[in-house]
Amino acid sequence: EDQVTQSPEALRLQEGESSSLNCSYTVSGLRGLFWYRQDPGKGPEFLFTLYSAGEEKEKERLKATLTKKESFLHITAPKPEDSATYLCAVTFYTGNQFYFGTGTSLTVIP
Amino acid sequence: NAGVTQTPKFQVLKTGQSMTLQCAQDMNHEYMSWYRQDPGMGLRLIHYSVGAGITDQGEVPNGYNVSRSTTEDFPLRLLSAAPSQTSVYFCASSYSTISGDNSPLHFGNGTRLTVT
Repeated sequence: EDQVTQSPEALRLQEGESSSLNCSYTVSGLRGLFWYRQDPGKGPEFLFTLYSAGEEKEKERLKATLTKKESFLHITAPKPEDSATYLCAVTFYTGNQFYFGTGTSLTVIP
Repeated sequence: NAGVTQTPKFQVLKTGQSMTLQCAQDMNHEYMSWYRQDPGMGLRLIHYSVGAGITDQGEVPNGYNVSRSTTEDFPLRLLSAAPSQTSVYFCASSYSTISGDNSPLHFGNGTRLTVT
Protein backbone atom coordinates (compact mmCIF):
# COMPACT_ATOMS: atom_id res chain seq x y z
CA GLU A 1 0.00 0.00 0.00
CA ASP A 2 1.35 3.43 -0.98
CA GLN A 3 2.31 5.59 1.98
CA VAL A 4 1.91 8.87 0.07
CA THR A 5 -0.55 9.75 -2.69
CA GLN A 6 -0.49 12.95 -4.72
CA SER A 7 -3.26 14.36 -6.89
CA PRO A 8 -3.82 15.32 -9.56
CA GLU A 9 -1.07 13.65 -11.61
CA ALA A 10 -1.01 16.59 -14.00
CA LEU A 11 -2.48 20.08 -13.91
CA ARG A 12 -2.63 22.74 -16.61
CA LEU A 13 -3.43 26.28 -15.52
CA GLN A 14 -3.73 29.58 -17.27
CA GLU A 15 -1.39 32.24 -15.96
CA GLY A 16 -3.10 33.82 -12.95
CA GLU A 17 -5.48 30.90 -12.38
CA SER A 18 -5.06 29.78 -8.75
CA SER A 19 -5.34 26.12 -7.74
CA SER A 20 -4.25 23.53 -5.17
CA LEU A 21 -2.25 20.30 -5.21
CA ASN A 22 -2.97 17.52 -2.74
CA CYS A 23 -0.73 15.12 -0.81
CA SER A 24 -2.32 12.50 1.45
CA TYR A 25 -0.64 9.88 3.64
CA THR A 26 -1.92 6.68 5.18
CA VAL A 27 0.34 5.87 8.13
CA SER A 28 0.06 7.29 11.65
CA GLY A 29 2.93 8.90 13.52
CA LEU A 30 3.88 11.64 11.06
CA ARG A 31 7.20 13.26 11.91
CA GLY A 32 7.39 15.70 9.00
CA LEU A 33 5.87 16.45 5.61
CA PHE A 34 8.06 18.00 2.92
CA TRP A 35 7.28 19.73 -0.37
CA TYR A 36 9.78 19.81 -3.22
CA ARG A 37 9.89 21.33 -6.69
CA GLN A 38 11.61 19.42 -9.50
CA ASP A 39 12.53 20.97 -12.84
CA PRO A 40 13.31 18.76 -15.87
CA GLY A 41 16.81 17.31 -15.70
CA LYS A 42 17.37 18.52 -12.14
CA GLY A 43 17.16 17.10 -8.66
CA PRO A 44 14.26 18.00 -6.37
CA GLU A 45 14.59 21.37 -4.65
CA PHE A 46 13.31 21.75 -1.09
CA LEU A 47 10.40 24.15 -0.55
CA PHE A 48 8.73 23.58 2.85
CA THR A 49 8.61 21.38 5.94
CA LEU A 50 5.37 21.03 7.91
CA TYR A 51 5.30 19.39 11.33
CA SER A 52 1.80 19.45 12.76
CA ALA A 53 -1.86 19.85 11.80
CA GLY A 54 -2.85 23.48 11.30
CA GLU A 55 0.61 24.62 10.32
CA GLU A 56 1.07 26.84 7.23
CA LYS A 57 4.19 27.97 5.36
CA GLU A 58 4.41 30.52 2.52
CA LYS A 59 6.95 31.39 -0.13
CA GLU A 60 6.10 33.84 -2.91
CA ARG A 61 3.02 32.43 -4.72
CA LEU A 62 3.10 29.11 -2.83
CA LYS A 63 1.41 28.27 0.46
CA ALA A 64 1.55 24.84 2.07
CA THR A 65 -0.96 23.69 4.69
CA LEU A 66 -1.24 20.51 6.77
CA THR A 67 -4.22 18.65 8.25
CA LYS A 68 -4.21 15.33 10.09
CA LYS A 69 -4.03 13.18 6.95
CA GLU A 70 -3.17 15.50 4.07
CA SER A 71 -1.38 18.57 2.89
CA PHE A 72 -2.25 21.11 0.23
CA LEU A 73 0.08 23.23 -1.84
CA HIS A 74 -1.87 26.31 -2.90
CA ILE A 75 -0.58 28.23 -5.89
CA THR A 76 -1.89 31.78 -6.13
CA ALA A 77 -1.84 33.62 -9.47
CA PRO A 78 0.76 31.26 -10.98
CA LYS A 79 3.27 32.33 -13.60
CA PRO A 80 4.84 30.19 -16.37
CA GLU A 81 8.03 29.92 -14.30
CA ASP A 82 6.05 27.97 -11.69
CA SER A 83 5.78 25.10 -14.20
CA ALA A 84 7.51 22.08 -12.66
CA THR A 85 6.78 18.79 -10.95
CA TYR A 86 5.87 19.19 -7.28
CA LEU A 87 6.76 16.30 -4.98
CA CYS A 88 5.58 15.53 -1.49
CA ALA A 89 7.49 13.37 1.02
CA VAL A 90 6.80 12.24 4.57
CA THR A 91 8.82 10.83 7.45
CA PHE A 92 7.46 8.89 10.39
CA TYR A 93 8.63 8.44 13.98
CA THR A 94 8.99 4.69 13.34
CA GLY A 95 11.98 4.94 10.98
CA ASN A 96 14.65 6.89 9.12
CA GLN A 97 13.17 6.87 5.63
CA PHE A 98 11.56 9.54 3.48
CA TYR A 99 8.55 8.30 1.51
CA PHE A 100 7.80 10.18 -1.71
CA GLY A 101 4.63 10.54 -3.73
CA THR A 102 4.74 10.31 -7.52
CA GLY A 103 4.31 14.05 -7.95
CA THR A 104 2.03 16.54 -9.71
CA SER A 105 3.23 17.91 -13.03
CA LEU A 106 2.16 21.56 -13.22
CA THR A 107 2.08 23.49 -16.47
CA VAL A 108 1.22 27.19 -16.41
CA ILE A 109 0.23 28.57 -19.81
CA PRO A 110 0.93 32.23 -20.59
CA ASN B 1 28.40 25.99 -1.73
CA ALA B 2 28.67 22.82 -3.82
CA GLY B 3 25.99 20.93 -1.83
CA VAL B 4 25.51 17.39 -3.18
CA THR B 5 27.65 16.50 -6.19
CA GLN B 6 26.97 13.45 -8.35
CA THR B 7 29.18 12.05 -11.08
CA PRO B 8 28.89 11.12 -13.86
CA LYS B 9 25.85 13.01 -15.22
CA PHE B 10 25.24 10.42 -17.95
CA GLN B 11 26.35 6.81 -18.38
CA VAL B 12 25.65 4.02 -20.84
CA LEU B 13 26.48 0.46 -19.81
CA LYS B 14 26.16 -2.92 -21.44
CA THR B 15 24.33 -5.71 -19.62
CA GLY B 16 26.65 -7.37 -17.13
CA GLN B 17 29.05 -4.46 -16.73
CA SER B 18 29.69 -2.95 -13.33
CA MET B 19 30.18 0.65 -12.34
CA THR B 20 30.14 3.04 -9.41
CA LEU B 21 28.03 6.17 -9.18
CA GLN B 22 29.76 8.79 -7.07
CA CYS B 23 28.12 11.07 -4.52
CA ALA B 24 29.81 13.66 -2.33
CA GLN B 25 28.40 16.31 -0.01
CA ASP B 26 30.18 19.19 1.69
CA MET B 27 27.52 20.08 4.26
CA ASN B 28 28.70 17.70 7.01
CA HIS B 29 25.41 15.80 6.77
CA GLU B 30 25.08 12.58 8.72
CA TYR B 31 22.32 11.06 6.58
CA MET B 32 22.90 10.10 2.95
CA SER B 33 20.72 8.10 0.59
CA TRP B 34 20.30 6.87 -2.96
CA TYR B 35 17.05 6.95 -4.91
CA ARG B 36 16.05 5.89 -8.37
CA GLN B 37 13.36 7.76 -10.26
CA ASP B 38 11.32 6.04 -12.95
CA PRO B 39 8.29 7.41 -14.84
CA GLY B 40 5.09 6.81 -12.87
CA MET B 41 6.98 5.24 -9.95
CA GLY B 42 8.24 8.28 -8.10
CA LEU B 43 11.43 8.27 -6.07
CA ARG B 44 12.25 4.86 -4.61
CA LEU B 45 14.86 4.42 -1.91
CA ILE B 46 17.72 2.04 -2.74
CA HIS B 47 20.08 2.32 0.25
CA TYR B 48 20.72 4.84 2.97
CA SER B 49 23.26 5.61 5.68
CA VAL B 50 22.82 7.39 9.02
CA GLY B 51 26.55 7.91 9.49
CA ALA B 52 30.02 6.72 8.51
CA GLY B 53 30.26 2.94 8.72
CA ILE B 54 26.48 2.42 8.88
CA THR B 55 24.31 1.49 5.89
CA ASP B 56 20.88 -0.04 5.47
CA GLN B 57 18.59 -1.21 2.70
CA GLY B 58 15.69 0.71 1.31
CA GLU B 59 12.76 -0.37 -0.83
CA VAL B 60 14.70 -1.58 -3.92
CA PRO B 61 18.23 -2.69 -2.87
CA ASN B 62 18.74 -5.73 -5.12
CA GLY B 63 21.62 -5.36 -7.57
CA TYR B 64 23.19 -2.44 -5.71
CA ASN B 65 25.87 -2.12 -3.03
CA VAL B 66 26.90 0.84 -0.91
CA SER B 67 29.54 1.70 1.65
CA ARG B 68 30.13 4.78 3.81
CA SER B 69 33.77 5.11 4.83
CA THR B 70 33.63 8.90 5.28
CA THR B 71 30.92 11.41 6.18
CA GLU B 72 31.31 13.12 2.80
CA ASP B 73 31.09 10.23 0.32
CA PHE B 74 28.45 7.60 -0.40
CA PRO B 75 29.14 5.68 -3.63
CA LEU B 76 26.57 3.36 -5.20
CA ARG B 77 27.87 0.26 -6.97
CA LEU B 78 26.02 -1.63 -9.67
CA LEU B 79 27.40 -5.15 -9.52
CA SER B 80 26.18 -6.55 -12.87
CA ALA B 81 24.06 -4.05 -14.78
CA ALA B 82 20.68 -5.10 -16.15
CA PRO B 83 18.27 -3.23 -18.47
CA SER B 84 15.85 -2.95 -15.52
CA GLN B 85 18.40 -0.66 -13.86
CA THR B 86 17.96 1.96 -16.58
CA SER B 87 16.84 4.95 -14.56
CA VAL B 88 17.77 8.34 -13.14
CA TYR B 89 19.66 8.01 -9.88
CA PHE B 90 19.63 10.70 -7.21
CA CYS B 91 21.81 11.03 -4.17
CA ALA B 92 20.39 13.02 -1.26
CA SER B 93 21.67 14.05 2.14
CA SER B 94 20.20 15.45 5.34
CA TYR B 95 21.67 16.93 8.49
CA SER B 96 20.02 14.32 10.71
CA THR B 97 17.12 11.95 10.93
CA ILE B 98 17.04 11.65 14.69
CA SER B 99 13.46 11.57 15.91
CA GLY B 100 12.24 15.12 16.41
CA ASP B 101 14.60 16.64 13.88
CA ASN B 102 12.89 17.47 10.60
CA SER B 103 15.90 18.24 8.45
CA PRO B 104 14.95 18.07 4.76
CA LEU B 105 16.78 16.09 2.11
CA HIS B 106 19.11 17.97 -0.24
CA PHE B 107 19.48 16.38 -3.67
CA GLY B 108 22.15 16.22 -6.32
CA ASN B 109 21.24 16.70 -9.97
CA GLY B 110 21.22 13.02 -10.80
CA THR B 111 22.95 10.44 -12.96
CA ARG B 112 21.07 9.27 -16.02
CA LEU B 113 21.95 5.61 -16.59
CA THR B 114 21.06 3.54 -19.62
CA VAL B 115 21.76 -0.20 -19.69
CA THR B 116 21.60 -1.83 -23.12
